[in-house]
Amino acid sequence: EAGVAQSPRYKIIEKRQSVAFWCNPISGHATLYWYQQILGQGPKLLIQFQNNGVVDDSQLPKDRFSAERLKGVDSTLKIQPAKLEDSAVYLCASSLGGSMETQYFGPGTRLLVL
Amino acid sequence: DAKTTQPPSMDCAEGRAANLPCNHSTISGNEYVYWYRQIHSQGPQYIIHGLKNNETNEMASLIITEDRKSSTLILPHATLRDTAVYYCIVSLKTSYDKVIFGPGTSLSVIP
Repeated sequence: EAGVAQSPRYKIIEKRQSVAFWCNPISGHATLYWYQQILGQGPKLLIQFQNNGVVDDSQLPKDRFSAERLKGVDSTLKIQPAKLEDSAVYLCASSLGGSMETQYFGPGTRLLVL
Repeated sequence: DAKTTQPPSMDCAEGRAANLPCNHSTISGNEYVYWYRQIHSQGPQYIIHGLKNNETNEMASLIITEDRKSSTLILPHATLRDTAVYYCIVSLKTSYDKVIFGPGTSLSVIP
């Protein structure tokens, strides 16, 4: 079974630039999550989708971050404009029906904002 | 804030049992205890979960105290590949409960 795919794996941008990350979940997984992981901390949930609807985006900084999941499969997370404090690893995960024990994570995208 | 507290770091000798503690004194009756681990430069990986009974799978054992206020993850024979950050998480099983990862315990398995 193919895992959660993410791209790019690494990205370096300057502050105020825009960046987008892509995630392809495991086939058949209805729930998709985006997490932000700052160095030395645990992952922080940014947004959770159930199919193509948003379940929770309470921790998403909506003035600069946006996410969509068209057709309930792939998802993109965008930052516009980026700030220095956005430097982090962005993890995508998917699960069957939203249960924790079936949540599978991708390898993440490491973002450095200069 | 995370609903759990864990020691920031631990060492374990290779081949010995690694016992990772977690306190979750405010856990509610229908919340489960989940353990994940994150090896360097990878995404977190599910290990095990439990409600109130002890659980065992091919990766680890989970011991939950009778009052459910704390638990211990046991890796029976730690190897160098078990070096990782281990996260203890309290959550409803079907969730739309917000999942909160704390900073976890960084386990170093020493040869």
